[in-house]
Amino acid sequence: NAGVTQTPKFQVLKTGQSMTLQCAQDMNHEYMSWYRQDPGMGLRLIHYSVGAGITDQGEVPNGYNVSRSTTEDFPLRLLSAAPSQTSVYFCASSYSFLVGYEQYFGPGTRLTVT
Amino acid sequence: KQEVTQIPAALSVPEGENLVLNCSFTDSAIYNLQWFRQDPGKGLTSLLLIQSSQREQTSGRLNASLDKSSGRSTLYIAASQPGDSATYLCAVRGQGETSGSRLTFGEGTQLTVNP
Repeated sequence: NAGVTQTPKFQVLKTGQSMTLQCAQDMNHEYMSWYRQDPGMGLRLIHYSVGAGITDQGEVPNGYNVSRSTTEDFPLRLLSAAPSQTSVYFCASSYSFLVGYEQYFGPGTRLTVT
Repeated sequence: KQEVTQIPAALSVPEGENLVLNCSFTDSAIYNLQWFRQDPGKGLTSLLLIQSSQREQTSGRLNASLDKSSGRSTLYIAASQPGDSATYLCAVRGQGETSGSRLTFGEGTQLTVNP
């Protein structure tokens, strides 16, 4: 198993540009989520999905969209990039959103918005 | 709102020392607590998952304990090695959390083990 994979590893955007961060998992996990990690703020939940076709907002959803058309993929879209979205983005997955299941994280995407 | 605090923020020890990392959380109504390791520029690697009904979990030289009533967890690393150098994060999944399986993270303890 490749586990949770993310592309790209690094990205530089100009303010106002849009882009999609890719996330895929090959463990047939039901639950997937996106976090951002910022110094002094820890990791914060952006959006999550409890299964194909079902998504919901986390703690800091503004400026981001998600969709879940397949079990394997959970892309994160930045609609109009802003410098405040400079961060490291992590995708995570778990067998189920039900309690008791371990969460697995991808290697991250480092995004800089100038 | 759940808050997770990790002390110390940084720790430097000589190789071979046994050490303890601390994690505290403000709301004891949790489902579980997970310890992660993060190497510089890398993702998070899960180390141990403790369910709310458990008191401790062990994996190799790592032992994590959980005292839910006092809102504390400790990660014990035995016979530390330079390869243990990394940032260690703890995260809790709260019962009152409406955002699915959201984890609330601490900011981590940056560990350096000197040869």
